[in-house]
Amino acid sequence: DAGVIQSPRHEVTEMGQEVTLRCKPISGHDYLFWYRQTMMRGLELLIYFNNNVPIDDSGMPEDRFSAKMPNASFSTLKIQPSEPRDSAVYFCASSTGGPGQPQHFGDGTRLSIL
Amino acid sequence: EDKVVQSPLSLVVHEGDTVTLNCSYEVTNFRSLLWYKQEKKAPTFLFMLTSSGIEKKSGRLSSILDKKELSSILNITATQTGDSAIYLCAATNTGNQFYFGTGTSLTVIP
Repeated sequence: DAGVIQSPRHEVTEMGQEVTLRCKPISGHDYLFWYRQTMMRGLELLIYFNNNVPIDDSGMPEDRFSAKMPNASFSTLKIQPSEPRDSAVYFCASSTGGPGQPQHFGDGTRLSIL
Repeated sequence: EDKVVQSPLSLVVHEGDTVTLNCSYEVTNFRSLLWYKQEKKAPTFLFMLTSSGIEKKSGRLSSILDKKELSSILNITATQTGDSAIYLCAATNTGNQFYFGTGTSLTVIP
């Protein structure tokens, strides 16, 4: 079975540019999560969706960040404009049955903003 | 403020040693605690604990929850170099909120 698929695997871009991260959850999973991981702050939840509807976006750092889930098999996380402090590994995860259930993580997107 | 604290932050052991990792939580309306292992890439699920005192076991790994002490431990016996990873715990509540600890970095030396 295919796991959670994220793209791109790596992204290097200049400050001020728009960045779009993509995620395909595991088929049949009704919850999708976006995380950011840094050495300083560890794993932080940014936002999660249930049945394509955003449920909790309290972790989204600021208006420069936005996330969408137009259908059950695709989600995007967009940063516009990007800043060097956004450099991190961004993970997407999916689960079934709720946030309290085991989540399956993608391999992450390593983002570097110069 | 709800939070999860893991200890130690890092640990270096020799192959064959037994290690115990700790996770303490302060979460209102607690529901479950989950352990993940993160090697070079994504975290992978290990255990989910909801009941106090019931040990979950998978090979050399085991974990138990103590709701009275608001904590959980993850034990690894006869450690191997492949156990080297960051071990994360997360606590959830009945309101579908969840909180990750910053992890324990385990290094197993041959």
